[in-house]
Amino acid sequence: TQLLEQSPQFLSIQEGENLTVYCNSSSVFSSLQWYRQEPGEGPVLLVTVVTGGEVKKLKRLTFQFGDARKDSSLHITAAQPGDTGLYLCAEKSGTYKYIFGTGTRLKVLA
Amino acid sequence: EAEVAQSPRYKITEKSQAVAFWCDPISGHATLYWYRQILGQGPELLVQFQDESVVDDSQLPKDRFSAERLKGVDSTLKIQPAELGDSAMYLCASSGRLGQGRFEQFFGPGTRLTVL
Repeated sequence: TQLLEQSPQFLSIQEGENLTVYCNSSSVFSSLQWYRQEPGEGPVLLVTVVTGGEVKKLKRLTFQFGDARKDSSLHITAAQPGDTGLYLCAEKSGTYKYIFGTGTRLKVLA
Repeated sequence: EAEVAQSPRYKITEKSQAVAFWCDPISGHATLYWYRQILGQGPELLVQFQDESVVDDSQLPKDRFSAERLKGVDSTLKIQPAELGDSAMYLCASSGRLGQGRFEQFFGPGTRLTVL
C-alpha cells in the first residue's frame, strides 16, 4: 500500500506571508489531486497534476509535480485569511479511486 | 449550481443504536462514493458505487456498516450498532461515469456523527 505523507501537519502564519506544503509518496504517483477543505464542509478539488515536472497555477496558488512523480508541492503567495483550511493531496489508486493523505491544516491570521 | 446533498448534517447517537445517512449525488452522476473522515485525518473510502452496483467496498466494516443505492441515484449508509469509534465525518461524493471524461469527484457537506 502506498503511503501518502503530507507536511507540515499544522501551519499558522500571518496574512501576507508565503508558504509551501508538501505531499510525498513511497511510490510513483500516476496522478495527484490537491483539495481544500473548510471546517464543516467537504473537500473541494483545486487541481489535478499528471505529468512529471508539471506546474499549474491557480491565482496565488502554484502546484508542482516532482519530476519523478513521487512528490508534489503547493505554494501559496501572500496568504489571506480565506486560505485557511485543510489542504489534502490524493493519489490515484486503481482505475478510479483516490487515496487521501492526512492533510496540512493551515491557519492564516489577519 | 449542482451540488451533492447530504442529510442530516449532524447526528448524535448513543452506542449500540442504529444510524443512517442519506446522499443525493449531482444529477446524472453515475458514480457515488462514501468516505469516513476522522478528525485530523484525510477521508478514507468506505464504498464506491457505479449506478446501483458496488465497485469497491473493501474498506467497509461489513459486520456493522451497510450501503445501498437501489435505483442508482440516491444512497443510504447505515451503521448498526454504532460504536464510539464511529464518531467521524461521513462524506458523500459523486463523479461522472467511470471511463468517460475527466475524473473529478464532487463532495457533499458531510454528516458529522457523534457516538456517546
